[in-house]
Amino acid sequence: GDSVTQMEGPVTLSEEAFLTINCTYTATGYPSLFWYVQYPGEGLQLLLKATKADDKGSNKGFEATYRKETTSFHLEKGSVQVSDSAVYFCALSDPGGTSYGKLTFGQGTILTVHP
Amino acid sequence: NAGVTQTPKFRVLKTGQSMTLLCAQDMNHEYMYWYRQDPGMGLRLIHYSVGEGTTAKGEVPDGYNVSRLKKQNFLLGLESAAPSQTSVYFCASSYTGTVWVFGPGTRLTVL
Repeated sequence: GDSVTQMEGPVTLSEEAFLTINCTYTATGYPSLFWYVQYPGEGLQLLLKATKADDKGSNKGFEATYRKETTSFHLEKGSVQVSDSAVYFCALSDPGGTSYGKLTFGQGTILTVHP
Repeated sequence: NAGVTQTPKFRVLKTGQSMTLLCAQDMNHEYMYWYRQDPGMGLRLIHYSVGEGTTAKGEVPDGYNVSRLKKQNFLLGLESAAPSQTSVYFCASSYTGTVWVFGPGTRLTVL
């Protein structure tokens, strides 16, 4: 079945540091890929998405490129801020078959940014 | 437009007690989902519904039941709560299975 694997965390960075959170996936079809963010005490918010190979999703300075050849969707940001401290989830949705639009999530990566 | 709301926000149960979590959406979405979030395990799908009157099992359905009597509501029931069901529960809805809206979550503790 479909699965998503994220780099093990937590990740602790200083403000303005470069961020990479690795994400790889396994899917039988041609999935759409997502990054969700969860701020403390809140629900999940969509951060960015990509629906086909070589697409780049971007939002709020975050970027991720859909790499079919390496089945990856790594999240990057050039200069993190304290306000980026949150839990980040990589997820996929396989529109084929009988998935009925369900999302499959990675285990989440806790990011803490210090001033 | 409230989006997806969940009731209650917090709950503490004793082992063996029952309860129902309510998810409501006002976006006329067809698809609704219940997930549980546990540390180091991401979100796992419990049950989902593709329309009023329909439900289906997800990845971790044991110990839970659901009902979708009205299109806007999706109820998650625990008939006999166990400590292993201590978790944060998220409801989500989707119109076409391509864009999802998540609720704020319900934090459940089973003693």
